[in-house]
Amino acid sequence: QVQLQESGPGLVKPSQTLSLTCTVSGGSISSGGYYWSWIRQHPGKGLEWIGYIYYSGSTYYNPSLKSRVTISVDTSKNQFSLKLSSVTAADTAVYYCARGWAAGADYWGQGTLVTVSS
Amino acid sequence: NFMLTQPHSVSESPGKTVTISCTRSSGSIASNYVQWYQQRPGSAPTTVIYEDNQRPSGVPDRFSGSIDSSSNSASLTISGLKTEDEADYYCQSYDSSNPWVFGGGTKLTVL
Repeated sequence: QVQLQESGPGLVKPSQTLSLTCTVSGGSISSGGYYWSWIRQHPGKGLEWIGYIYYSGSTYYNPSLKSRVTISVDTSKNQFSLKLSSVTAADTAVYYCARGWAAGADYWGQGTLVTVSS
Repeated sequence: NFMLTQPHSVSESPGKTVTISCTRSSGSIASNYVQWYQQRPGSAPTTVIYEDNQRPSGVPDRFSGSIDSSSNSASLTISGLKTEDEADYYCQSYDSSNPWVFGGGTKLTVL
């Protein structure tokens, strides 16, 4: 069974770059036609798709975040990563990584809370 | 861009059946698959329905999904409600310009 685990700093200062990594186990990130995604959830709110990277390396981002987001993959470590630049308090959220396909997700990570504060 | 609209909350008694709707604002609901995710309090989402009406392994057959082109909406139906079904439920779909659009979520209370 595929498992995903997010990791990274839980506290980021305003204007800095938020960096998270998702480690995939139980399957190779470079095999199959999967999309590797990041989704976030503001406190007490709904889900917001951030973007995904196809196993081939193509990326697709939420237009509202596109100018600040970079998603990359490291097949040697079976990981993919999220970078979100110029963060503000509005970026405080639980960040989830997920595996899926063009239509949607099948497996989700447990999520990690990132707080933006000085 | 399109939106997916869900009721904020629904409630039903144990053993009963509940249906949660998800209405697409533009474009045909039948043109792109709909997924449903369950999020129990304090936990990550899990997939309960994919491709409109398919259940992942391990999801009980009490959960079913459907689409209705006449109302341009999708529905998640949970029969034989259990207290463990109490959770937030999110629908999600996409199109060629809008990958992974989520509905606002519906809080299901089983009382």
